[in-house]
Amino acid sequence: AQSVAQPEDQVNVAEGNPLTVKCTYSVSGNPYLFWYVQYPNRGLQFLLKYITGDNLVKGSYGFEAEFNKSQTSFHLKKPSALVSDSALYFCAVRDPNTGTASKLTFGTGTRLQVTL
Amino acid sequence: KAGVTQTPRYLIKTRGQQVTLSCSPISGHRSVSWYQQTPGQGLQFLFEYFSETQRNKGNFPGRFSGRQFSNSRSEMNVSTLELGDSALYLCASSSAGSRNTEAFFGQGTRLTVV
Repeated sequence: AQSVAQPEDQVNVAEGNPLTVKCTYSVSGNPYLFWYVQYPNRGLQFLLKYITGDNLVKGSYGFEAEFNKSQTSFHLKKPSALVSDSALYFCAVRDPNTGTASKLTFGTGTRLQVTL
Repeated sequence: KAGVTQTPRYLIKTRGQQVTLSCSPISGHRSVSWYQQTPGQGLQFLFEYFSETQRNKGNFPGRFSGRQFSNSRSEMNVSTLELGDSALYLCASSSAGSRNTEAFFGQGTRLTVV
């Protein structure tokens, strides 16, 4: 079965500094990986995905993620953090045994706190 | 283009009651899936419907059920509510026929069981 690990419960970063939110995965076959963000009392917003191709994936709001097959990682990055980026971030992997995008296994989430 | 719409946004129910949550997917999306989010268990997949058929099911008891209508709208039902069913229930929709697409989530229904 597939799984996702987000080793950090919380990441603290100062505004203007680069940020990284870590994610490692385990899946048989080709990984289909996603990052979502959740603001308080809201649903999940899609940020970016890796299906195939370039290892550096660019997404919404200036976020990008680096896929590393040898390390089975898919870390989320942003060159310059904003206070408004403070939220809960989830990494997810799609079940490779289904033919759809909708059966996702999520990590436990990482709370990003950006301070002035 | 309207997003995924979930109703109601908030619900308070008593133990033993049943509840029905509704989800309207993005126009043109035929796949609808449901997730439960709790502080202890995180985000867990409940089930997925496509063209009115349940295509995938997570590891939840039979008290949790769902259905999808011909217009792709979906409902999920929880019977004999327990305190542990208190959670944010999220619905997601995606377009059919492609593994490469992403799922789009609604804002969720916050269910509180007292």
